[in-house]
Amino acid sequence: GQSLEQPSEVTAVEGAIVQINCTYQTSGFYGLSWYQQHDGGAPTFLSYNALDGLEETGRFSSFLSRSDSYGYLLLQELQMKDSASYFCAVRVNTGNQFYFGTGTSLTVIP
Amino acid sequence: DAGVTQSPTHLIKTRGQQVTLRCSPISGHKSVSWYQQVLGQGPQFIFQYYEKEERGRGNFPDRFSARQFPNYSSELNVNALLLGDSALYLCASSLTLLGTEAFFGQGTRLTVV
Repeated sequence: GQSLEQPSEVTAVEGAIVQINCTYQTSGFYGLSWYQQHDGGAPTFLSYNALDGLEETGRFSSFLSRSDSYGYLLLQELQMKDSASYFCAVRVNTGNQFYFGTGTSLTVIP
Repeated sequence: DAGVTQSPTHLIKTRGQQVTLRCSPISGHKSVSWYQQVLGQGPQFIFQYYEKEERGRGNFPDRFSARQFPNYSSELNVNALLLGDSALYLCASSLTLLGTEAFFGQGTRLTVV
């Protein structure tokens, strides 16, 4: 089976940096994705890490350590519009099948 | 270009009934996956279809079935609805079987009463 752990809630100040951690236990592992979901909206792809290290895409960066079964999403220069739920998801085989964590609700305050 | 479209957007069904949800992937995308998202939880993988064949199935009972058509659109069927089937059903498409970026539709909100 698959098990993913993320903090349930995080609050941060506009303009600051926030890190959302994800630890996982899976029977197979091909990569770790991050998705953003606003209330009432569809999940939106943010990043995918298959190899160890840091991937940077604009204000968002994602890190993976396969040996530690751990990853994180780093959001810089926080904006109010970043308030949303963030999900990590593991890919457990070569197909496009992802198993999602329970999500982290990020609230950005002025 | 149109994104992933799902229909209907909202649906109310009675316990024991059957429901069919529809999904049209992004043009050119051949892989369609279905997810169930219960309020306050992350999406749970139900099925993946690629080139009209089932390529993966999550931990859901046989009441759940799906198919993919030659135009790559897909249907998810749920029989003998239970109250616990109330959820947001999401469809995601990707270009290939190995695609790492999934594009989600807005979902179908199913309420079972």
